[in-house]
Amino acid sequence: GDSVTQMEGPVTLSEEAFLTINCTYTATGYPSLFWYVQYPGEGLQLLLKATKADDKGSNKGFEATYRKETTSFHLEKGSVQVSDSAVYFCALSESSTGGFKTIFGAGTRLFVKA
Amino acid sequence: NAGVTQTPKFQVLKTGQSMTLQCAQDMNHEYMSWYRQDPGMGLRLIHYSVGAGITDQGEVPNGYNVSRSTTEDFPLRLLSAAPSQTSVYFCASTMDYGTDTQYFGPGTRLTVL
Repeated sequence: GDSVTQMEGPVTLSEEAFLTINCTYTATGYPSLFWYVQYPGEGLQLLLKATKADDKGSNKGFEATYRKETTSFHLEKGSVQVSDSAVYFCALSESSTGGFKTIFGAGTRLFVKA
Repeated sequence: NAGVTQTPKFQVLKTGQSMTLQCAQDMNHEYMSWYRQDPGMGLRLIHYSVGAGITDQGEVPNGYNVSRSTTEDFPLRLLSAAPSQTSVYFCASTMDYGTDTQYFGPGTRLTVL
């Protein structure tokens, strides 16, 4: 079945370091891919998305490219800030005649030290 | 817009008790869903709805009921709470599950003793 695998955390970085959080997926169809972020005590909120192969999603300095050939959607940021400390979820969604699917990865917690 | 609202924020139940988690959205979204979040497991879909009067099961539906009488509201019912239902519950809504952003409520933290 469909699945999303993302790197285990926690990831601890110093401020201004480069961030990569790996995400790979398996899907039978052509899903849209998302990164959501969850700050402490809050619900998830969209960080960025890409709806087809080779699309790049970007927001707040974060970016990720939909790579169909490697079934990946890795999240990157060139210079992290303390305020980026949160849990990041990779997800896929697709609708089909049988309904819809939305599958989340397990989440990766990021700590950024000043 | 208030977005997606959930009540209560926290709840403690005893095994066997019943309760309803409330969810409402004011964005006129057709699609709504309930997830549970457990440590190390991401979010798992419990039930979803593609419009008023239409609901369907997700990945982990056992022990939960839903109904959708209006576009705005999508309550989740626990008929007989069990300790395995201790979790954080999130409601979400979207215009289109296939490609669109899901908007999440702030969550309900439920503990079943």
